[in-house]
Amino acid sequence: AQSVAQPEDQVNVAEGNPLTVKCTYSVSGNPYLFWYVQYPNRGLQFLLKYITGDNLVKGSYGFEAEFNKSQTSFHLKKPSALVSDSALYFCAVRDNNFNKFYFGSGTKLNVKP
Amino acid sequence: NAGVTQTPKFQVLKTGQSMTLQCAQDMNHNSMYWYRQDPGMGLRLIYYSASEGTTDKGEVPNGYNVSRLNKREFSLRLESAAPSQTSVYFCASSETGGISGYTFGSGTRLTVV
Repeated sequence: AQSVAQPEDQVNVAEGNPLTVKCTYSVSGNPYLFWYVQYPNRGLQFLLKYITGDNLVKGSYGFEAEFNKSQTSFHLKKPSALVSDSALYFCAVRDNNFNKFYFGSGTKLNVKP
Repeated sequence: NAGVTQTPKFQVLKTGQSMTLQCAQDMNHNSMYWYRQDPGMGLRLIYYSASEGTTDKGEVPNGYNVSRLNKREFSLRLESAAPSQTSVYFCASSETGGISGYTFGSGTRLTVV
């Protein structure tokens, strides 16, 4: 069965420091992986995706994610966090059999000045 | 702006009442989805429509029905609301297969008392 795990409910980081939000997945076949961000009282917004190719994927707002097949992980990273990055982040994996996505439980990122 | 529009944004229902959540997209996407978001549980798929004229159950379909009215519109109906259906509901759309990711609406916050 397809699934996504985000092991941290919350990540705290100081502004200017690097940040990592973790995601591991389980999927049959080649994984299609996504990260979304949700700001308060808003819908989810697409950040980046991995379909194939380079394991380091760059996305919106300076975020990037590293696909690691052996560890079945797709961690979200940013070299220097901003207070405005504070939001809820969701990892998602596509179910290749049914053309739909499964989402992780979300990680709340708090960036403090 | 192009995107996914959900109505209403907020709703309070009494147990046993019925209501329909409306969703419309103007991106000419073939696929549409209804998710619910609950604290600590991320997003769970209720129903989806891979293309006009088709609908399928997701992870948590009990207590809900859907209608894909045309290519643009996908409605979610609660026939007899229960407190367990208190949640934030998101509609999303994508091109077939969802390889480019989803576009989400801004959500409907539903409270059942």
